[in-house]
Amino acid sequence: EVQLVESGGGLVQPGGSLRLSCAASGFTFSSYAMSWVRQAPGKGLEWVSSISGSGGSTDYADSGKGRFTISRDNSKNTLYLQMNSLRAEDTAVHYCAKSRSGGWYDFWGQGTPVTVSS
Amino acid sequence: DIQMTQSPSTLSASVGDRVTITCRASQSISSWLAWYQQKAGKAPKVLIYKASSLESGVPSRFSGSGSGTEFILTISSLQPDDFATYYCQQYNSYPLTFGGGTKVEIK
Repeated sequence: EVQLVESGGGLVQPGGSLRLSCAASGFTFSSYAMSWVRQAPGKGLEWVSSISGSGGSTDYADSGKGRFTISRDNSKNTLYLQMNSLRAEDTAVHYCAKSRSGGWYDFWGQGTPVTVSS
Repeated sequence: DIQMTQSPSTLSASVGDRVTITCRASQSISSWLAWYQQKAGKAPKVLIYKASSLESGVPSRFSGSGSGTEFILTISSLQPDDFATYYCQQYNSYPLTFGGGTKVEIK
């Protein structure tokens, strides 16, 4: 059974940093691209970043370029999102999601909330 | 960036109704479109990928159609479990983008 379990969210002040983690199980982690997708309170879904199975290729939404870094440790079956210089508009539930192929998502984690506020 | 526009934003329907949701892309995305269902407080769940391919385990009352710039999600006979918000997503090119969502409410 595929499981994605996010952690690392919480309350942080503007300008602060957080590192989100997503522990994966139930599939060959290194074979699949992974992504972070977020959802601000009462809003729709927003793609944040993706990484290839090997970790050699990454993409970012403009909203996170220069501030966020996606990475993965295939030996630990874990996906990460390092978020720096956080802003109020980064407040959202952050989901990790597994791509079956081509950029659509067949499994999602339960999400971890990030709140940026002073 | 490719903009995805869904309509309507809210839809009121009764159990047993046939429901259609439209998603339009700002440029051609071929058939690189997925549909998701999201219930309050839960993660999205994929229903359809590649515009018309039904994900395993999804009831056959859900279907998708379209290509290019216009796509439709159809629920042939709305069931109580189907009251939720639905999103389309293009994966033709980065940045990946989602539609704004369609909330299906009980009439």
